[in-house]
Amino acid sequence: KNQVEQSPQSLIILEGKNCTLQCNYTVSPFSNLRWYKQDTGRGPVSLTIMTFSENTKSNGRYTATLDADTKQSSLHITASQLSDSASYICVVRPSGGYNKLIFGAGTRLAVHP
Amino acid sequence: DAGVIQSPRHEVTEMGQEVTLRCKPISGHDYLFWYRQTMMRGLELLIYFNNNVPIDDSGMPEDRFSAKMPNASFSTLKIQPSEPRDSAVYFCASSSGLAGSYNEQFFGPGTRLTVL
Repeated sequence: KNQVEQSPQSLIILEGKNCTLQCNYTVSPFSNLRWYKQDTGRGPVSLTIMTFSENTKSNGRYTATLDADTKQSSLHITASQLSDSASYICVVRPSGGYNKLIFGAGTRLAVHP
Repeated sequence: DAGVIQSPRHEVTEMGQEVTLRCKPISGHDYLFWYRQTMMRGLELLIYFNNNVPIDDSGMPEDRFSAKMPNASFSTLKIQPSEPRDSAVYFCASSSGLAGSYNEQFFGPGTRLTVL
């Protein structure tokens, strides 16, 4: 069964600190992997998209990495800000025509002053 | 562009009532998706359309759920009759091209449905 597992389930950090969120997937083969940020009461917004051949992609203070051999991805947030408080969702798209995106359960991040 | 527009933002109804959720996709996008999000199951795809035609509705939980897209700028998701277990946040998203390409899915703000 295709699955996307994220850890930790929740995380609390102090403003200005760095953190790393993990995503392990069993989807194979896959076309791309995405990280979304979802603020409370809003829809998810894309942060990064990586194909299976890419191993890192940055978007400002967000850096995603991908190891297709171990089927792991991480999202690193540098110098966290209060506005980073949100849920971060890892999403994998299986390859081969159109396939349903496989969503992880998300990591809920709280940044405290 | 205003992005994906959904209405209502909140809906509270009683069990057995009909509920209609509405979505206006981003102009020019040819794919439209309906998702449901709950704490227990996360985000689930219910149905998606391409050029107003339903392509995959295998995620629709049961016959009580139906979706239509009469034109390129409007879609509805209807639940009749509604049940308490339908309580969730329903998202509409749109994209240009296949979801698997770099063409992004843009999500609306969601409709929070509560069925009493």
